Amino acid sequence: QVQLQESGPGLVKPSETLSLTCTVSGGSISSYYWSWIRQPPGKGLEWIGYVYYSGSTNYNPSLKSRVTISIDTSKNQFSLKLSSVTAADTAVYYCAWGYHWNAHYVWGKGTTVTVSS
Amino acid sequence: DIQMTQSPSSLSASVGDRVTITCQASQDISNYLNWYQQKPGKAPKLLIYDSSNLETGVPSRFSGSGSGTDFTFTISSLQPEDIATYYCQLYDNLQVTFGQGTRLEIK
Repeated sequence: QVQLQESGPGLVKPSETLSLTCTVSGGSISSYYWSWIRQPPGKGLEWIGYVYYSGSTNYNPSLKSRVTISIDTSKNQFSLKLSSVTAADTAVYYCAWGYHWNAHYVWGKGTTVTVSS
Repeated sequence: DIQMTQSPSSLSASVGDRVTITCQASQDISNYLNWYQQKPGKAPKLLIYDSSNLETGVPSRFSGSGSGTDFTFTISSLQPEDIATYYCQLYDNLQVTFGQGTRLEIK
């Protein structure tokens, strides 16, 4: 059973770049789709985007100019970078896995990122 | 962009009740809709995919239906452990959109 674990700084300063990594265990990252989803405090879920194991990506248009999702098959990890962050980017960030891009069958526990000076 | 309207935003029901949540898409999305359950402080869990398919291991009291623009999620007999927020999620044109969520409470 695939398991996912998010890691990265819990505090990021405004205008800087948020960087998170998702480590995959119990399976190989060299297949299927790997996604990032976030949830601001007390609010709903927002899809950020996905990376296919081949490296192809697709992003939420509202975040596309600031987002990069990449994959490192040698480390069984995939990553999220979100640039020029503001307080509005404060959220719990989840990584997730799916057979296809359109459903998220396995989720990490989530990691809280706060944007503040 | 396709808009998704989920209702109600909150719901209070008694154990044993039948509970229904709806999602309406702004245009035809065929059966491109999933449902998730999120318990407090936990990650979401996929319950239903492609409108009506029950994910493996999910109790049969959960069900989904609909196609086109109108979709329904049903809990046939509410159990105490079903207290959670439920989200619909549409997918179309390589984009994913979540509904606003329905917070379900026990009366």
